[in-house]
Amino acid sequence: AQTVTQSQPEMSVQEAETVTLSCTYDTSESNYYLFWYKQPPSRQMILVIRQEAYKQQNATENRFSVNFQKAAKSFSLKISDSQLGDTAMYFCALRNAGNMLTFGGGTRLMVKP
Amino acid sequence: ETGVTQTPRHLVMGMTNKKSLKCEQHLGHNAMYWYKQSAKKPLELMFVYSLEERVENNSVPSRFSPECPNSSHLFLHLHTLQPEDSALYLCASSPGTSYSYEQYFGPGTRLTVT
Repeated sequence: AQTVTQSQPEMSVQEAETVTLSCTYDTSESNYYLFWYKQPPSRQMILVIRQEAYKQQNATENRFSVNFQKAAKSFSLKISDSQLGDTAMYFCALRNAGNMLTFGGGTRLMVKP
Repeated sequence: ETGVTQTPRHLVMGMTNKKSLKCEQHLGHNAMYWYKQSAKKPLELMFVYSLEERVENNSVPSRFSPECPNSSHLFLHLHTLQPEDSALYLCASSPGTSYSYEQYFGPGTRLTVT
């Protein structure tokens, strides 16, 4: 079985500042993918960033980057230069070859002007 | 918008009603999924279809019945639901069921069972 834990139910950040969302996971597989999904209020969930476990280099997508610590089974998301449009629920998710996508409980992020 | 649509967006039904949720994807994908999103709980995978065949059924009660007539359409038939079934039901699709694929989500159907 695989599990994903997001220990921060809610967070807030001032516009233009940086915020880091935490995620830890557990899996017995050696290869897997990790994802961060964003669900804005009343809008569709979209992929923010993805990381393959075999790749040591941390993924980056514009203002979004991850800190992937495989040994610690940690996969945090850093949002730089936060914008009002970043306000959303953020879900960390894990998938390996033998299982379907497993989501964490989510972190509600509020960006304040 | 991501190319996955769901109707209706909101549904209120009594415990004895029968209704259906519809999902359509315009992305040419081969895999489709139903998820349940309840307050204060992680998203729960309900069903997975690949090339119109069900490949995963995550111990979902029989009052939920999926149907996938073709690779673009997915239905969730509902009957004799319980109040605890009230939730946001999300449909998603992906090019295939490989674990590397991103899933594309629809906007969801907000279901309230009275």
